[in-house]
Amino acid sequence: QKEVEQNSGPLSVPEGAIASLNCTYSDRGSQSFFWYRQYSGKSPELIMFIYSNGDKEDGRFTAQLNKASQYVSLLIRDSQPSDSATYLCAVNPQGGYQKVTFGTGTKLQVIP
Amino acid sequence: EAGVTQFPSHSVIEKGQTVTLRCDPISGHDNLYWYRRVMGKEIKFLLHFVKESKQDESGMPNNRFLAERTGGTYSTLKVQPAELEDSGVYFCASSPWTGNNEQFFGPGTRLTVL
Repeated sequence: QKEVEQNSGPLSVPEGAIASLNCTYSDRGSQSFFWYRQYSGKSPELIMFIYSNGDKEDGRFTAQLNKASQYVSLLIRDSQPSDSATYLCAVNPQGGYQKVTFGTGTKLQVIP
Repeated sequence: EAGVTQFPSHSVIEKGQTVTLRCDPISGHDNLYWYRRVMGKEIKFLLHFVKESKQDESGMPNNRFLAERTGGTYSTLKVQPAELEDSGVYFCASSPWTGNNEQFFGPGTRLTVL
């Protein structure tokens, strides 16, 4: 079992719809969770982080964390073609300032 | 504020040669990380510096890889001698002591070993 699992996609949504990206992780003791956006050929860009169970909203983005189910999700409301990218889920299993473990990413395509 | 920078952006070398990658973290970030993405795989951790000290090098694949961070500022990652399987994109990231380890990534160095 991979430490962080994501569906590779592509996930296609029409412009203006809600895109839902999902991630599961294996280490129940994981402390913090991150979503990175990566455009083709570019570096990962941190867009959201969450540490507590529940929802965290930032603009059009909402991160959801359920530690009991070991599940993290990212919702993108009013999806735009510029949101088309690969979204990487990353988990800090040890807490503190340690390494993060990445999933393989989900490719999102927003269709105009 | 300048972001994480890496040099070179691309490097093409032959098997057996040596390559040195450089990373300049965001100013004031004590934590510096090296990661690598091999084609088709996830980004994988290589090592973590806290200032000039190696905090965790559990991800370094073998002793052909040597990382340094003299003076606690920029870091170098040397591969000697390079092998075909070393090809990939090498990312550097940094984070400050404040916050919750939000890591900021550089643009990466694409290494191709022929």
